[in-house]
Amino acid sequence: GAGVSQSPSNKVTEKGKDVELRCDPISGHTALYWYRQSLGQGLEFLIYFQGNSAPDKSGLPSDRFSAERTGGSVSTLTIQRTQQEDSAVYLCASSLAGTGINQPQHFGDGTRLSIL
Amino acid sequence: QKEVEQDPGPLSVPEGAIVSLNCTYSNSAFQYFMWYRQYSRKGPELLMYTYSSGNKEDGRFTAQVDKSSKYISLFIRDSQPSDSATYLCAMSAGNTGNQFYFGTGTSLTVIP
Repeated sequence: GAGVSQSPSNKVTEKGKDVELRCDPISGHTALYWYRQSLGQGLEFLIYFQGNSAPDKSGLPSDRFSAERTGGSVSTLTIQRTQQEDSAVYLCASSLAGTGINQPQHFGDGTRLSIL
Repeated sequence: QKEVEQDPGPLSVPEGAIVSLNCTYSNSAFQYFMWYRQYSRKGPELLMYTYSSGNKEDGRFTAQVDKSSKYISLFIRDSQPSDSATYLCAMSAGNTGNQFYFGTGTSLTVIP
């Protein structure tokens, strides 16, 4: 079956530009997560959605980062006025669970973002 | 202190060897434990998912959880070159927040 789909797979942009990253989760998965992975670093949690609401935004590094999810499905992560330190792989994951019982996450292949 | 500690390696073994990958953690509330395999330029792929303490086996892979020691392991038997990847451990408490905590990953190379 279809897994988590992310687009674009690669994005190169100039410092100061805005970028929008898209995640299409597995059908029926109510939970959706965004992570950032830098070379040699672990996965950095950014934001968690349950349905369309985001009960945990604690990982967003600055107010330049925002995310939304519509229709309980597709999510977009937007980075405004990009900086070179934003260069990383942005991974999206989805799972079946709400709170209480953690089902494991299934990941997309990520968007490789490079800020020149 | 990080929530989850994982030796980054790199680890290099000959084909057919038994591989042991490990993570330690500090939060005694963790009760869900996962191992992911990540190939270069790909997303993490779920390998094993366990709840609480004990062992779980799936083919050549065995996951062990020792909650008393706050220590988890992944064993790979009869390792193959196709097992060459980065292995990430992950864990969560399973209560509110749904936060998962990841290790930084161990890079494994299996030499033919």
